[in-house]
Amino acid sequence: NAGVMQNPRHLVRRRGQEARLRCSPMKGHSHVYWYRQLPEEGLKFMVYLQKENIIDESGMPKERFSAEFPKEGPSILRIQQVVRGDSAAYFCASSPPPRVGHYGYTFGSGTRLTVV
Amino acid sequence: AQSVTQLDSHVSVSEGTPVLLRCNYSSSYSPSLFWYVQHPNKGLQLLLKYTSAATLVKGINGFEAEFKKSETSFHLTKPSAHMSDAAEYFCVVSDSRGGSNYKLTFGKGTLLTVNP
Repeated sequence: NAGVMQNPRHLVRRRGQEARLRCSPMKGHSHVYWYRQLPEEGLKFMVYLQKENIIDESGMPKERFSAEFPKEGPSILRIQQVVRGDSAAYFCASSPPPRVGHYGYTFGSGTRLTVV
Repeated sequence: AQSVTQLDSHVSVSEGTPVLLRCNYSSSYSPSLFWYVQHPNKGLQLLLKYTSAATLVKGINGFEAEFKKSETSFHLTKPSAHMSDAAEYFCVVSDSRGGSNYKLTFGKGTLLTVNP
């Protein structure tokens, strides 16, 4: 009964390259959330996806960042033309459909992106 | 809008002494509140959650928190610290409104150090 799986755990990219971060939700979960943790900061909401649908991307930077959650396969957070400021830990969480009286998410172990 | 303030960025205690990590929140609606723990280079683990049931919430590893609406606080406590409790702790709030209750707002974190 695996939890939320993220890979890779660590990713190093040179400036200008693309970064692809993967997230496989818990079994039976159809909702995925991405959060970013900058150094010495709390996590910040980026995007909320259901299968084949972006529900809320209000936390995504306007350029270079995109996310998808296809019908088959993991959710992907894609960062094009990475810059040093993109260095952070990126966490994914999953849940069944949210309801009133939030019960808390299960988070993955994160992907730590370093841009050199 | 919702927000969280963790009043201490760093708390240091001796093993066997009580732990108090302070958190104040702001929410326009009845909030759901959580504490998460993050060990170095690890993912986030849910310690406990408040979702409008009992105001004193018991979590894992002997931690508990009390929801005080009049003080807008949700402080985390433990009677006796253990070395393994050394980690970063995040207080988190979510509005209970159905439209956006999926979005978690994190505090900046409190680093707990436990001295032998």
